[in-house]
Amino acid sequence: QSALTQPPSASGSPGQSVTISCTGTSSDVGGYNYVSWYQQHPGKAPKLMIYEVSKRPSGVPDRFSASKSGNTASLTVSGLQAEDEGDYYCSSHAGSNNLVVFGGGTKLTVL
Amino acid sequence: QVQLQESGPGLMKPSETLSLICTVSGYSISTGYYWGWIRQPPGKGLEWIASIYHSGSTYYNPSLKSRVTISADTSKNQFSLKLTSVTAADTAVFYCARVSVYNYYMDVWGKGTTVTVSS
Repeated sequence: QSALTQPPSASGSPGQSVTISCTGTSSDVGGYNYVSWYQQHPGKAPKLMIYEVSKRPSGVPDRFSASKSGNTASLTVSGLQAEDEGDYYCSSHAGSNNLVVFGGGTKLTVL
Repeated sequence: QVQLQESGPGLMKPSETLSLICTVSGYSISTGYYWGWIRQPPGKGLEWIASIYHSGSTYYNPSLKSRVTISADTSKNQFSLKLTSVTAADTAVFYCARVSVYNYYMDVWGKGTTVTVSS
């Protein structure tokens, strides 16, 4: 069982927006502004998409945005494109004894 | 650019000790950052295993702490993971990654190495 809870699946049609949630506790998501999001395509390593709750690394399209409210973080993908299909994982810092915890992942399907 | 490359045994038998090495190029591990290991069982999600700070401080997933040791060899620009008493449940793709200090995000990942535990 993963430390952070994500819906197993999400979907949307090209051009639409989809939001993926990531729910933790006050000991992780709610306690730190260190939530990250990763995209993973089949057979590939994860790719950093969002860090520090809402910041995008260079090269990540601005169609990807994220936020946090309380113990729940959210990733929104706007203007869905076929290449956005894949698995998305959230992670959070959870204290000095548990540096990083991950969510169980959400499979995003572009219909 | 910074690149990470995992190496490992591929196939192991239960009760053996897994040894993995991550070779870093394009950046000296003694300069900064955490350096970490993450695994992904087949069809499942990511699990952080351990990280080592450039100063040598180590951090472990509490659920694996009793079986895991992470270390670094700055002369070779490598860091390593040992996992003792492996079982089939340890079958996974193991990734090494660079972890940002203070922000705890993983910005550079290796391609991963598959470890299968089977009798």
